[in-house]
Amino acid sequence: SQTIHQWPATLVQPVGSPLSLECTVEGTSNPNLYWYRQAAGRGLQLLFYSVGIGQISSEVPQNLSASRPQDRQFILSSKKLLLSDSGFYLCAWSTWGIGETQYFGPGTRLLVL
Amino acid sequence: QQQVKQSPQSLIVQKGGISIINCAYENTAFDYFPWYQQFPGKGPALLIAIRPDVSEKKEGRFTISFNKSAKQFSLHIMDSQPGDSATYFCAASKNFGNEKLTFGTGTRLTIIP
Repeated sequence: SQTIHQWPATLVQPVGSPLSLECTVEGTSNPNLYWYRQAAGRGLQLLFYSVGIGQISSEVPQNLSASRPQDRQFILSSKKLLLSDSGFYLCAWSTWGIGETQYFGPGTRLLVL
Repeated sequence: QQQVKQSPQSLIVQKGGISIINCAYENTAFDYFPWYQQFPGKGPALLIAIRPDVSEKKEGRFTISFNKSAKQFSLHIMDSQPGDSATYFCAASKNFGNEKLTFGTGTRLTIIP
């Protein structure tokens, strides 16, 4: 069966510090991968998606970036965090099309102080 | 054109009652409509999904009703239970899943005893 992992689960970072969040998927090959951000009590904002190694589509201009160094690994990064980067970051995967059923990870709660 | 409007923003239902959450869309090209359930601190999980070739889909206590002419779809939770208390998101995609999901803004459902 397929499993998606995210770490860390919780992160407190000072403004201006770098960020690296990691997501890995097990039990499937060549998945589509996604990064979402969810502000407290708000909806899901798609940040990036990837249909293959090295292929990244950005949805929202911001100080975040994403990379996919391996087939089942997706990394969200920032060189300098802003207060507004606080939120709940969710990784997800899907097979077939990018509009098909997505399976979400447990999320990383980021607090920027 | 790409929006999915979800209502209400929050909903309180008594145990045993029927919970109804509505979504409306503009783009008639949408052809896949999933609902996701999210418990606090967790990632969303697919609850039930429908395609426009049917007007209703039922899985246990959960039913999606789809009205293609009105461009609306809704989630009905029969015999609502305290364990159903969660945030629910509707979503839509088009081109047989080859274009990304558009999520509604979410409904926080609370079931009271």
